[in-house]
Amino acid sequence: SQQGEEDPQALSIQEGENATMNCSYKTSINNLQWYRQNSGRGLVHLILIRSNEREKHSGRLRVTLDTSKKSSSLLITASRAADTASYFCATDEAGTASKLTFGTGTRLQVTL
Amino acid sequence: NAGVTQTPKFQVLKTGQSMTLQCAQDMNHNSMYWYRQDPGMGLRLIYYSASEGTTDKGEVPNGYNVSRLNKREFSLRLESAAPSQTSVYFCASADWGRATQETQYFGPGTRLLVL
Repeated sequence: SQQGEEDPQALSIQEGENATMNCSYKTSINNLQWYRQNSGRGLVHLILIRSNEREKHSGRLRVTLDTSKKSSSLLITASRAADTASYFCATDEAGTASKLTFGTGTRLQVTL
Repeated sequence: NAGVTQTPKFQVLKTGQSMTLQCAQDMNHNSMYWYRQDPGMGLRLIYYSASEGTTDKGEVPNGYNVSRLNKREFSLRLESAAPSQTSVYFCASADWGRATQETQYFGPGTRLLVL
């Protein structure tokens, strides 16, 4: 079964606005990662946050992690049309090794 | 570096036919993975190989077999294709076990249609 569930399933914003998407997961984790997938392409890693971290930044990306609520959020600031893609969270369960479990994704549409 | 490559890019099969999806990586990664992606389902892990010489089942292994041919190559075989296996298949690799190296690198995908 899917470990992560993203919310919302789809998001449409205008260029320059901020986009926030959320991920909830079920079990204790070591790390949580966010990936982007452009239409028809493979996934590309964006950012990793460890279970002992609460917030992490990378360029226009800000990720938060609340392990007590088993949730994470990805904020994209000052969005661009090129940010149009699907975004997935992925977790690796504490006590397991070598594999990730992906959520169902948020489809982001950024319009001019 | 080509990263992760997959062949073929697109394939049409008839029910009952067999085929092998090929995957290779040139990043010297120890771990490799096969996923399938269906609309609205995200990625589901079929099989993975944590290191050369080992393979393990993922979430949806039924109807598939894998071979970790060497450190670079990890193939996925459908012995008797079924329409339910129509999907987009992604191969990925990672250098698991090294601090900060748990990110996965994905290939471009193989689109499989089973009639």
